[in-house]
Amino acid sequence: DVKVTQSSRYLVKRTGEKVFLECVQDMDHENMFWYRQDPGLGLRLIYFSYDVKMKEKGDIPEGYSVSREKKERFSLILESASTNQTSMYLCASSFPGLAGVGGEQFFGPGTRLTVL
Amino acid sequence: RKEVEQDPGPFNVPEGATVAFNCTYSNSASQSFFWYRQDCRKEPKLLMSVYSSGNEDGRFTAQLNRASQYISLLIRDSKLSDSATYLCVVAMDSSYKLIFGSGTRLLVRP
Repeated sequence: DVKVTQSSRYLVKRTGEKVFLECVQDMDHENMFWYRQDPGLGLRLIYFSYDVKMKEKGDIPEGYSVSREKKERFSLILESASTNQTSMYLCASSFPGLAGVGGEQFFGPGTRLTVL
Repeated sequence: RKEVEQDPGPFNVPEGATVAFNCTYSNSASQSFFWYRQDCRKEPKLLMSVYSSGNEDGRFTAQLNRASQYISLLIRDSKLSDSATYLCVVAMDSSYKLIFGSGTRLLVRP
């Protein structure tokens, strides 16, 4: 069974804090993704990585950065958290190749982040 | 205009009913199509891919209409366990990205 784990299910931080969200997958997947999910807006891609040390901006990268030093781990960093970054954050991984090949992404359970 | 649009629902149906959801997409270059399912407070999971010829998986049937740029999901003989949010997803073969709709919520009542 593919397993994608995220470091926290719930997180509360204060405005201006630096926040680290960690994601680990155990299936040796090349591709990893970070999304945020908000009511009425669906899942929006923040960043993705198709290889170690490679990263690409998604649709809403502003205010975020990522790190992929090891194949199994993909970290999302909020450099200075703001209240509009309160959201559900979902990590996903997939087999190598483009999205149209298979199309299955395996998601972690999510981290609900609240920024006060 | 959103790239993928869905009726948010909720669709409230009795057990045993047949229910259908549609989804429209704006980019005619979209090549691959999927339905994901997301249970309350859980992560999304792939339900099925959608092929040009249409495809069936048990009680679930997915169809694609490229000319009108919509895909559909039909659920027959609804079960209580089908209650979830169904996400319409499209992809370009040239991209790593999946583009998610905001989902259609289904409630199946006893």
